[in-house]
Amino acid sequence: QVKLLQSGAALVKPGASVKMSCKASGYTFTDYWVSWVKQSHGKSLEWIGEIYPNSGATNFNEKFKGKATLTVDKSTSTAYMELSRLTSEDSAIYYCTREDYSGLYFDYWGQGVMVTVSS
Amino acid sequence: DVVLTQTPSTLSATIGQSVSISCRSSQSLLDSAGNTYLYWYLQRPGQSPQLLIYLVSNLGSGVPNRFSGSGSGTDFTLKISGVEAEDLGVYYCMQATHAPYTFGAGTKLELK
Repeated sequence: QVKLLQSGAALVKPGASVKMSCKASGYTFTDYWVSWVKQSHGKSLEWIGEIYPNSGATNFNEKFKGKATLTVDKSTSTAYMELSRLTSEDSAIYYCTREDYSGLYFDYWGQGVMVTVSS
Repeated sequence: DVVLTQTPSTLSATIGQSVSISCRSSQSLLDSAGNTYLYWYLQRPGQSPQLLIYLVSNLGSGVPNRFSGSGSGTDFTLKISGVEAEDLGVYYCMQATHAPYTFGAGTKLELK
């Protein structure tokens, strides 16, 4: 079955960077886009961007350009997102999702990574 | 960016009651090819969101048929015909017609 297993929670200092992972299994990793979604505490969802593992092509929400970097390792079927120059506004849960590009929907979600930015 | 306005923000229901959630878009979600990229997700307490409805009215895999979606253009509705306890949580609509993809603020379904 399809699974997206994300890395554990992170506590990071303001100004630092954090890199999180999303390991896919149960499907051909290179056939589907991977999107990342942010959920600030008690709030709604924001789409950060997406990456196509087969080519490395990316699309971003303008709001997150310069903040998020998306990469993949095809050999391990793992997607990564690095967030830089962290502030308290970046404290949130971050989800990776499998994106069905024929319908542009997120059919599988990871369990989420809680990032806390605090000194 | 496209703004999706969900109403109500909170919905109290009894088990077995039928309820509806509205999602209104600030722009038409019909694209030039005739597709409407509007979705509904449910986030149960402490869980990741899960897909309920895709492309306005198509049921996601494994989703019970008490859920249904309808609408066009800028007005969309999710209906639950006979709420069950497992349906409690926050419902989000999402659009992917216009970049960037955007979500509504959510509708919390709770037991009355």
